[in-house]
Amino acid sequence: GNSVTQMEGPVTLSEEAFLTINCTYTATGYPSLFWYVQYPGEGLQLLLKATKADDKGSNKGFEATYRKETTSFHLEKGSVQVSDSAVYFCALSNNYGQNFVFGPGTRLSVLP
Amino acid sequence: ETGVTQSPTHLIKTRGQQVTLRCSSQSGHNTVSWYQQALGQGPQFIFQYYREEENGRGNFPPRFSGLQFPNYSSELNVNALELDDSALYLCASSSSTGGPYEQYFGPGTRLTVT
Repeated sequence: GNSVTQMEGPVTLSEEAFLTINCTYTATGYPSLFWYVQYPGEGLQLLLKATKADDKGSNKGFEATYRKETTSFHLEKGSVQVSDSAVYFCALSNNYGQNFVFGPGTRLSVLP
Repeated sequence: ETGVTQSPTHLIKTRGQQVTLRCSSQSGHNTVSWYQQALGQGPQFIFQYYREEENGRGNFPPRFSGLQFPNYSSELNVNALELDDSALYLCASSSSTGGPYEQYFGPGTRLTVT
């Protein structure tokens, strides 16, 4: 079945540091890929998405590129802020939006 | 535009009881999915409803059931509650038109089973 693997956290960075959160997936066909963010006490918010190989999703300074050859969708940000502290989830779905599969999440803490 | 809303926010039940959770989808969305998120884990897909019919189900027993209404709102029912059912239950809505059908989540209902 489909699955998503993320780097284990927690990840602790200083403000303005470079962020990478690794995500790899196993899926049949050509899934769509997503990053969601969950701030403390809140539901999940869509951060960015990509629907086909080599697509780059971007939002709020975050980027991720759909790499079919390595089945990866790593999240990057050039300069993190304290307000980026949250849990980040990598996810995939088939192209009918069914059966979203989420990774276990990576907790990011950014220190001032 | 109204986002996804869920009720109640918190709920405490006793083992063996039954519970109903409610979700109102975002305006214009006709598909609702439910997820269980245990503490420190990613959401696990329970099932999805489209046009009042179940449209996909994850690995959850039949005591987890749902409904979708003509206005696209939805209920999640759990019978014979077990301690392991304690979790955050998330509802997400999406549209079946266009793509890639990204889901928009509500704030969740925190269920505690004692």
